[in-house]
Amino acid sequence: DAGVIQSPRHEVTEMGQEVTLRCKPISGHNSLFWYRQTMMRGLELLIYFNNNVPIDDSGMPEDRFSAKMPNASFSTLKIQPSEPRDSAVYFCASSLQGNTEAFFGQGTRLTVV
Amino acid sequence: AQSVTQLGSHVSVSEGALVLLRCNYSSSVPPYLFWYVQYPNQGLQLLLKYTTGATLVKGINGFEAEFKKSETSFHLTKPSAHMSDAAEYFCAVSDGEAAGNKLTFGGGTRVLVKP
Repeated sequence: DAGVIQSPRHEVTEMGQEVTLRCKPISGHNSLFWYRQTMMRGLELLIYFNNNVPIDDSGMPEDRFSAKMPNASFSTLKIQPSEPRDSAVYFCASSLQGNTEAFFGQGTRLTVV
Repeated sequence: AQSVTQLGSHVSVSEGALVLLRCNYSSSVPPYLFWYVQYPNQGLQLLLKYTTGATLVKGINGFEAEFKKSETSFHLTKPSAHMSDAAEYFCAVSDGEAAGNKLTFGGGTRVLVKP
């Protein structure tokens, strides 16, 4: 299995631009999580989906952030408009219902200048 | 609400010495506890987990951790550090499947291994 695949690995964008981060979970997994990692706040859960349905988005910082999961094999996290304080590493993780372990992708390092 | 506290953001150990990383948690229900490792520019990899049963849990790379309910602790140890153990380590807690297996992470401990 290829594991959780995230793209791009690195993204540099200008303030005000739209940014879309992508995630392909492990095949067969039915829970998907988006986390953000910063020096100041550590690892934070932004949103998670179960069977493609958003269950808890209380960690999404602002309305500028949105996430979708149109099918079981793809999810996006969009920031529009982006701001310098959004600079962070964004991780996607997936897990199988009934299994407590979450598998993480390698992350997308976002820099907003 | 759950929370995780990792004592010490940086730990320096000599190669061959004991590695001890401390983790304390708070949870309103019996917790599931995890240790993850993150190598530079990589994602998080599970080292070990406690869900139920034996409180001493063995993981990969020679690491183990012991769940102590009375102390609300889940400290990570390795008897003999290796240079390849240099990484950042995260303790995490979840309320299990009923809460969606969401993880709450500690702040992380960066381990430096000296030759």
